[in-house]
Amino acid sequence: EAGVAQSPRYKIIEKRQSVAFWCNPISGHATLYWYQQILGQGPKLLIQFQNNGVVDDSQLPKDRFSAERLKGVDSTLKIQPAKLEDSAVYLCASSPWTGGTDTQYFGPGTRLTVL
Amino acid sequence: AQSVTQPDIHITVSEGASLELRCNYSYGATPYLFWYVQSPGQGLQLLLKYFSGDTLVQGIKGFEAEFKRSQSSFNLRKPSVHWSDAAEYFCAADMEYGNKLVFGAGTILRVKS
Repeated sequence: EAGVAQSPRYKIIEKRQSVAFWCNPISGHATLYWYQQILGQGPKLLIQFQNNGVVDDSQLPKDRFSAERLKGVDSTLKIQPAKLEDSAVYLCASSPWTGGTDTQYFGPGTRLTVL
Repeated sequence: AQSVTQPDIHITVSEGASLELRCNYSYGATPYLFWYVQSPGQGLQLLLKYFSGDTLVQGIKGFEAEFKRSQSSFNLRKPSVHWSDAAEYFCAADMEYGNKLVFGAGTILRVKS
């Protein structure tokens, strides 16, 4: 079974530029998550999708971050414009929907450096 | 505020020695609890989870964890550490039973030969 795929693996941009990350979850997983992991901290949930609908985006900085999952499969996370403090690893995870608490499977992440 | 605390940022153990990584949570009820491991350049891999029932949980790679309600703790243990266990370990809690994980800051494990 293929795992969660993310691209690119690394990205370096200047502040105020825009950037996009892509995630393809495990086939059949209805729930998709984006996390931000700043160096020295644990992952923080940014947004959670159930199929193509948003379940929770309370910690997503909506003035600069956006995410979509149009067909309920893969997803993109965008930052526009980027700030220095956005430097982090962005992790995508997916889980099946069983109606309860499900195991989340994580991708390798995209390491973003904002200069 | 709901939180997960891992008091140890770094731990170094000798290969073959026993290991215990600490995790405490702050929440009114008992959350669902998880331990994940992250190797460099890799995503997080689930080691074990606790939802209810037996408070001693067995996981993969020889790890186990014990839930102690009185101490609000969920410590991870391994009787004999291997060099390949060197990685960062994260404790996480789902405090709303809705797949919304709150992670601790992680503990970096170093294994010396």
